[in-house]
Amino acid sequence: KQEVTQIPAALSVPEGENLVLNCSFTDSAIYNLQWFRQDPGKGLTSLLLIQSSQREQTSGRLNASLDKSSGRSTLYIAASQPGDSATYLCAVSGRDNAGGTSYGKLTFGQGTILTVHP
Amino acid sequence: NAGVTQTPKFRVLKTGQSMTLLCAQDMNHEYMYWYRQDPGMGLRLIHYSVGEGTTAKGEVPDGYNVSRLKKQNFLLGLESAAPSQTSVYFCASRLGYFVTEAFFGQGTRLTVV
Repeated sequence: KQEVTQIPAALSVPEGENLVLNCSFTDSAIYNLQWFRQDPGKGLTSLLLIQSSQREQTSGRLNASLDKSSGRSTLYIAASQPGDSATYLCAVSGRDNAGGTSYGKLTFGQGTILTVHP
Repeated sequence: NAGVTQTPKFRVLKTGQSMTLLCAQDMNHEYMYWYRQDPGMGLRLIHYSVGEGTTAKGEVPDGYNVSRLKKQNFLLGLESAAPSQTSVYFCASRLGYFVTEAFFGQGTRLTVV
C-alpha cells in the first residue's frame, strides 16, 4: 500500500528565506506527483505536477524535484513571502494495490504547515 | 472559468438525515473523485468515477453512495448521516490519469449533530 510522508509537519521562517519541503513515498511505481497548496478553510490549489519521467518542474518561485527511484520529492520555495503561508500537500498517483492502474486516485501526505512571518 | 464547483459549501445535519452533495465540472474531465479531509487523517478517497455512468469504491466508502448520470456531475449521497461523517468533503476531477493534473473544488464543510 502506497504511503506518503511529509517532513517537517510545520515550519516557521522569516520572510525572504529560501526553504525546502520534503515528501517521500513508499512505492516508486508512480505515474506522477502533484504539489498542492491549501489555505485555511479553502480548497486545494494545484502548484506543480511532475510526471514520473521528469526530474523537476518550475513555476515562478517554486521548484519541485522528483527522484522516483528513491521515493522522494522536494518543493523549493525561493524568497518566501508572508503570502506563502499555507499548508502544502504532496500527493502521488500510480498503480493500485493489485498492480493495476489506480485511475488517477491520489494518495496524500499529511501536509506541511508553513508560516512565513514578516 | 468555474473549474470544479461544489454545492453546498456548508451544511449541518441531524443524525439519521440524508443529503446529497453536488460536484460539477466544466472542463470535460473524464475522471472524478470524492475525498474527505479529517484532522490527523489527511485526505482519503471515498468513491470515484472513470466516466459517465461508472462509479467505484475508494478507501472509505461505507455510508456513502454516488452517481454519475452526466459527465459533468458527480453526486455524493449520505442516506443516514452519522456523527462520524462530520468532515470536509472535496471533489476533484482530471482529464486523464496518466499525465494530467487533478483540480479540486472549494469543499463542503458538513457537521452531523
